[in-house]
Amino acid sequence: DVKVTQSSRYLVKRTGEKVFLECVQDMDHENMFWYRQDPGLGLRLIYFSYDVKMKEKGDIPEGYSVSREKKERFSLILESASTNQTSMYLCASMVLAKNIQYFGAGTRLSVL
Amino acid sequence: GQQLNQSPQSMFIQEGEDVSMNCTSSSIFNTWLWYKQDPGEGPVLLIALYKAGELTSNGRLTAQFGITRKDSFLNISASIPSDVGIYFCAGQIPQGAQKLVFGQGTRLTINP
Repeated sequence: DVKVTQSSRYLVKRTGEKVFLECVQDMDHENMFWYRQDPGLGLRLIYFSYDVKMKEKGDIPEGYSVSREKKERFSLILESASTNQTSMYLCASMVLAKNIQYFGAGTRLSVL
Repeated sequence: GQQLNQSPQSMFIQEGEDVSMNCTSSSIFNTWLWYKQDPGEGPVLLIALYKAGELTSNGRLTAQFGITRKDSFLNISASIPSDVGIYFCAGQIPQGAQKLVFGQGTRLTINP
């Protein structure tokens, strides 16, 4: 089974803090993704990566950056957290041959 | 970003009833996926479809890839309480750069 692990299930941060969300996959997948999920807005793509050190902006990259130094790890960074970044964050890893994304359990981030 | 039209947005049914939901798009897709998300968890893959007209079952769940390649439906037969959750469709367009497009989700509530 594919395993995608997000380092934290719940996080509470203060406005202006730098926040790191970590995601690790154990299947040697090239493609990894970060989404945020808000009620009524579905899943929105923030950034994705198709190889080590490679990244592309998704639909809502403003206020976020990412890092992919190793194939198995994809990090989402909030340089200066703001209250409108309070959300559920989901990481996914993709099996290219089957066009399937496997998701982590999510990190619920609250910015106060 | 592009999104799929998923309906209905929510359903309230009695235990034992059958459920049907669908997704439509203005674009042709070469893959359709159906996910389920339990409260506070990440989406989990239910069914993957790869060919127009394909009909696939997974237990009480049945999904079909529309003939036009622009739609898909998911049926759940004889619903049980653990079917509660949010169901998402997702698809990949041929020129989709290895990304998925997601529906807004159908929230299923079951009265025992």
